[in-house]
Parts: sequence; structure tokens; C-alpha cells
Amino acid sequence: QQQVKQSPQSLIVQKGGIPIINCAYENTAFDYFPWYQQFPGKGPALLIAIRPDVSEKKEGRFTISFNKSAKQFSLHIMDSQPGDSATYFCAARIRGGKLIFGQGTELSVKP
Amino acid sequence: GAVVSQHPSWVICKSGTSVKIECRSLDFQATTMFWYRQFPKQSLMLMATSNEGSKATYEQGVEKDKFLINHASLTLSTLTVTSAHPEDSSFYICSAIDRVSYGYTFGSGTRLTVV
Repeated sequence: QQQVKQSPQSLIVQKGGIPIINCAYENTAFDYFPWYQQFPGKGPALLIAIRPDVSEKKEGRFTISFNKSAKQFSLHIMDSQPGDSATYFCAARIRGGKLIFGQGTELSVKP
Repeated sequence: GAVVSQHPSWVICKSGTSVKIECRSLDFQATTMFWYRQFPKQSLMLMATSNEGSKATYEQGVEKDKFLINHASLTLSTLTVTSAHPEDSSFYICSAIDRVSYGYTFGSGTRLTVV
């Protein structure tokens, strides 16, 4: 119940495309859902986050869509650029503050 | 914004020796810090939760005697890998929760190689 399932494992898009990464969870006690971007050899950096009482949140080119009834949430990257090539992780927070991470999606944006 | 400094960024040590990794919150106080381990092409695996002034809480399967965690102040937590072996080679990342904003900030990670 504490798992967060993320797909796809890898994704290749052309510059300007809109990659979509999906995550699903089972535990209804999760109360905070962040997305992180990680470059090789670096720690994760927070991109955007959402709480379960909100269905959508947009910050710049990044949008989270949240479906509470389906227990799913997704990240959309508008007008993707080669510099967006990185690994993306969804996560969910449980009581006590622990973050449970998805498996990660390696995104490659081709010029 | 909130910054977490992690040192060293990389370290190579011999089998059987111990290595200490430091995690500092530079501009905020962190009552809680987390330690993660990440293997190549894999996700972050939580090792332990560290609360200031108390013993760390380890995740199932993590050897507390091998991975010693100390959180002596609101800005510093350390992870010591004792009697390191090649299988301990990994990328270790810390994270801290700002006690005011409740935001999570990650360190830049430490690449440990045991030879």
C-alpha cells in the first residue's frame, strides 16, 4: 500500500513535444504529491507539487493533473526542450513526513 | 531558497574502513532529515529518518549498526558507513524538512565507492 507506481520507465520526445508521466498509488493516507527532476550525479530538485484537494496545478511549463478517485496523478511538460532531458520522479508523502518515490522516468528530448 | 549542503560529493575508501557523510541545512532549521540510497538507474530508497536529538528510525532491512546516523543539531545530520564493503558503493542523498515551511530540500548527493 505504500508503493507509488510510475510509468513509463523511459520516454523520448521531440523538442516542443509534451511528455506525460503517470503515477498511481493505493494508500489514501498520502497527503502531498511532489515531482522531482534529477540530473546525473545530482540530488533531486523539486519541480512542482500538489495536494489531493486540487485537481490541477500549473507552474511555468509544468502541470500536474490529479485524479483523487482514480488515485492517479501525472506530470505534463509543455514545449519540452533538450535541457529538460533528465530523470523524473513522482513521490507521495505519508504520515511522519516520509516521501515514497516512484520508479523514475528517464526523459530524453531530441533537438 | 532553502539549501542543503552535502559533503563530500564523492569519496573512495578501502574495504573495512568507515566513511562519514555530512548533511547541513544552510539557511533553515531542520527538525527532520532523511537519508536515501540510490543505485544506478534506480529510484531513491529511504534508509532512515533522523530527528534532531533523538535516535534515527531505520527502514526495514537497513542495518542500523552499519549505517550510523547522528542528528545532533537542527542543521546537521551525519551518516557513517562502518566497515564499508564494495556492495555499499552507491549514491547517498540526504533531505531535510524546513521546520517553518515544511518544504523538502535535497542535498546534492555523495558518490561512495568502496574498493
